[in-house]
Amino acid sequence: DARVTQTPRDKVTEMGQEVTMRCQPILGHNTVFWYRQTMMQGLELLAYFRNRAPLDDSGMPKDRFSAEMPDATLATLKIQPSEPRDSAVYFCASGPGTGVQRETQYFGPGTRLLVL
Amino acid sequence: AQTVTQSQPEMSVQEAETVTLSCTYDTSENNYYLFWYKQPPSRQMILVIRQEAYKQQNATENRFSVNFQKAAKSFSLKISDSQLGDTAMYFCAFMKPISGNTPLVFGKGTRLSVIA
Repeated sequence: DARVTQTPRDKVTEMGQEVTMRCQPILGHNTVFWYRQTMMQGLELLAYFRNRAPLDDSGMPKDRFSAEMPDATLATLKIQPSEPRDSAVYFCASGPGTGVQRETQYFGPGTRLLVL
Repeated sequence: AQTVTQSQPEMSVQEAETVTLSCTYDTSENNYYLFWYKQPPSRQMILVIRQEAYKQQNATENRFSVNFQKAAKSFSLKISDSQLGDTAMYFCAFMKPISGNTPLVFGKGTRLSVIA
């Protein structure tokens, strides 16, 4: 049963600390997304990659957020330094990009981040 | 830019009854995809159903079906024979496909409670 995995599941940290979230997309999927969910803004795109190349990161605060795909099996989202307003659930999703239902996205369980 | 509107923040339904969740969207595109995702208290985002805009036939998945009205830009979700496990947030989402998978634009969600 292929699925997207994310670590950590929950993270509590203090303001100013670095936070790294990791995502393993479904094997063979060529598109990876990072979304953030808050009560006020709902679900919004932070960044996405196709074939490991960044296509859009306009949703990310550039001064503190960075997203990378070191290889096809790992996507990372880093926040440095973290701030209380970054508290949210961060979802990673992947999509096949080709074949049947290529437009469908499969979500990981999310990382709930609390910055004190 | 595309927008998705879910006008019902909360709804409730008796077990075994039928409920319909509303979604409207705004786009100038002719070809696109629409999705309903379910988010139970576990926070996992689960795909419920998808609809391709160029298909006139409404999508169905077991107890879940949609009423897709392209001219009206409406995409409602009908849940038949509601079950306690259907209690969740439901998100309507829009995708404009450009060479495969692209970011989803989400509505704010409808919180559905199924009452025994």
